[in-house]
Amino acid sequence: DQQVKQNSPSLSVQEGRISILNCDYTNSMFDYFLWYKKYPAEGPTFLISISSIKDKNEDGRFTVFLNKSAKHLSLHIVPSQPGDSAVYFCAASEYSNYQLIWGAGTKLIIKP
Amino acid sequence: DAGVIQSPRHEVTEMGQEVTLRCKPISGHNSLFWYRQTMMRGLELLIYFNNNVPIDDSGMPEDRFSAKMPNASFSTLKIQPSEPRDSAVYFCASRQGESNQPQHFGDGTRLSIL
Repeated sequence: DQQVKQNSPSLSVQEGRISILNCDYTNSMFDYFLWYKKYPAEGPTFLISISSIKDKNEDGRFTVFLNKSAKHLSLHIVPSQPGDSAVYFCAASEYSNYQLIWGAGTKLIIKP
Repeated sequence: DAGVIQSPRHEVTEMGQEVTLRCKPISGHNSLFWYRQTMMRGLELLIYFNNNVPIDDSGMPEDRFSAKMPNASFSTLKIQPSEPRDSAVYFCASRQGESNQPQHFGDGTRLSIL
């Protein structure tokens, strides 16, 4: 049973436009959520996180939104740049648990 | 600041051989994680250390896999004997503090067992 789901395997966006990556979860005990970016032949790089006491967190071009009632979070990248082309992973955890539960990833392609 | 350092970056060896993967976590981080990534199963947690002590090794696939953390700045993951199905990318990650802190990953070791 996948507790964290990224239903879009890939997403193509024009440079300069907004990229929106989505993630759904099933475990209502999750209270900490993270987004990672991964380039080929590199490890995942931490991008941004949000705790369940917030519904939005912003860092530069990256904003994460959390909708607890819908068990849904999204990552907005604006404006999208060619260097944003990568695989994006959503992950979640419970405060008392060290384990991160990972989504399968979404490949973002930024078109020039 | 130095990130998590893994070595080697690539390892190709014949089945039956012993393989040792190495990891240096970020200084000051007290949690260390070993992951395996495959196309079929994605990112799987193998083992978690806290303050150099193995807390959860339930993800270690078989007795052929073992991991140690002799001090706060070094960890090894060993496979003996190795098998072709162990071929994967192995990542090490470290984290400062307890929960609600991000894990930081190394660039991984791509392991191929022939």
